[in-house]
Amino acid sequence: GQNIDQPTEMTATEGAIVQINCTYQTSGFNGLFWYQQHAGEAPTFLSYNVLDGLEEKGRFSSFLSRSKGYSYLLLKELQMKDSASYLCAVVNQGGKLIFGQGTELSVKP
Amino acid sequence: ETGVTQTPRHLVMGMTNKKSLKCEQHLGHNAMYWYKQSAKKPLELMFVYSLEERVENNSVPSRFSPECPNSSHLFLHLHTLQPEDSALYLCASSQEHHGGGLSGELFFGEGSRLTVL
Repeated sequence: GQNIDQPTEMTATEGAIVQINCTYQTSGFNGLFWYQQHAGEAPTFLSYNVLDGLEEKGRFSSFLSRSKGYSYLLLKELQMKDSASYLCAVVNQGGKLIFGQGTELSVKP
Repeated sequence: ETGVTQTPRHLVMGMTNKKSLKCEQHLGHNAMYWYKQSAKKPLELMFVYSLEERVENNSVPSRFSPECPNSSHLFLHLHTLQPEDSALYLCASSQEHHGGGLSGELFFGEGSRLTVL
């Protein structure tokens, strides 16, 4: 079976740091994506990890540990516009993208 | 603007209606996808077309019928739907390796919000 788990909801304060975790069990692994989706809008690409370690891109960073089946998305200096759903997705053995249910992040003033 | 355009953005239909969702990508990609997004559930992969051939059909009921006339256009034909089919239907495109498998990220359209009465 294929299973991708992430928290349903998180709340954080403007200016703070938040870490969104994702654990996965899939049939094979060919990379992990993080997407951001604002309400009523298309999911948009944030990051891609295929090797272990940290990928940094501005205020956003993504970490991967393949041996642990674990990734996290780190958001620094939170802004109100970061309130959105964050989707973790794994490329399985067949080369297809399998999504978790998403984490709804609310940023409060 | 993601380069993937979906129409209509909103659709309300009765259980006996026939309607179609349309998707167009302007990115030169060779693969297109239909996903279903229901509240509090993961995005569910429905269909994949690679080089205009359907390569995946994830046990989707026959009341959903995809069509891919060329690499830029994808349709989802809807017939005799049920209220539980109400959801956001997302189209996406990507570039795939010739042997299959992603070579980059998926680009999504903004979705068609379907309500079945």
